[in-house]
Amino acid sequence: DAEITQSPRHKITETGRQVTLACHQTWNHNNMFWYRQDLGHGLRLIHYSYGVHDTNKGEVSDGYSVSRSNTEDLPLTLESAASSQTSVYFCASSELDWPDTQYFGPGTRLTVL
Amino acid sequence: AQTVTQSQPEMSVQEAETVTLSCTYDTSESNYYLFWYKQPPSRQMILVIRQEAYKQQNATENRFSVNFQKAAKSFSLKISDSQLGDTAMYFCAFTRLNNAGNMLTFGGGTRLMVKP
Repeated sequence: DAEITQSPRHKITETGRQVTLACHQTWNHNNMFWYRQDLGHGLRLIHYSYGVHDTNKGEVSDGYSVSRSNTEDLPLTLESAASSQTSVYFCASSELDWPDTQYFGPGTRLTVL
Repeated sequence: AQTVTQSQPEMSVQEAETVTLSCTYDTSESNYYLFWYKQPPSRQMILVIRQEAYKQQNATENRFSVNFQKAAKSFSLKISDSQLGDTAMYFCAFTRLNNAGNMLTFGGGTRLMVKP
């Protein structure tokens, strides 16, 4: 069955380190998204991509970057991790044709000490 | 910019009873979609139901139905015959239609507890 996976599921890192969170989907979806979820907030959009080599900034993009070299993967990089980036991160994907439903991965819990 | 507001941080309901979760949104768009997502303790985000703004008929999926009031910009979720497995965080979300993909704006969530 097609699915969307994230790795690692849990990550502890130190302030200032570079961290990359992986997202992989097997639906062949063109659209991919990264969100973060914090207590008291819903999910907030970090970055999104509408296809290979396309990337766009979302609502809370500072300190994050993404690259899209193929359809299946959209890794999220924290260039220099900060404690404020401690959060749960969700990846999602949807097909090109809109309107469409986004399908979410299981999430990655990131702790920055 | 779009905003989505869920005014009930927490709610509880007895098993087998009916509960309604509220959601309001603000947009200047005329064409858009609204969603309710469920997030159980496993953290997985699961689509519950969606509503197209151009449709007057309220969406229904088994025990889940919505009351969509476009003029009032209100989109409430009704859960009938509540089950213990309905215990979860529920998020209302909005997406406007554009020419390439869709971006979701989420509300802050409502934590629903179904009591036996």
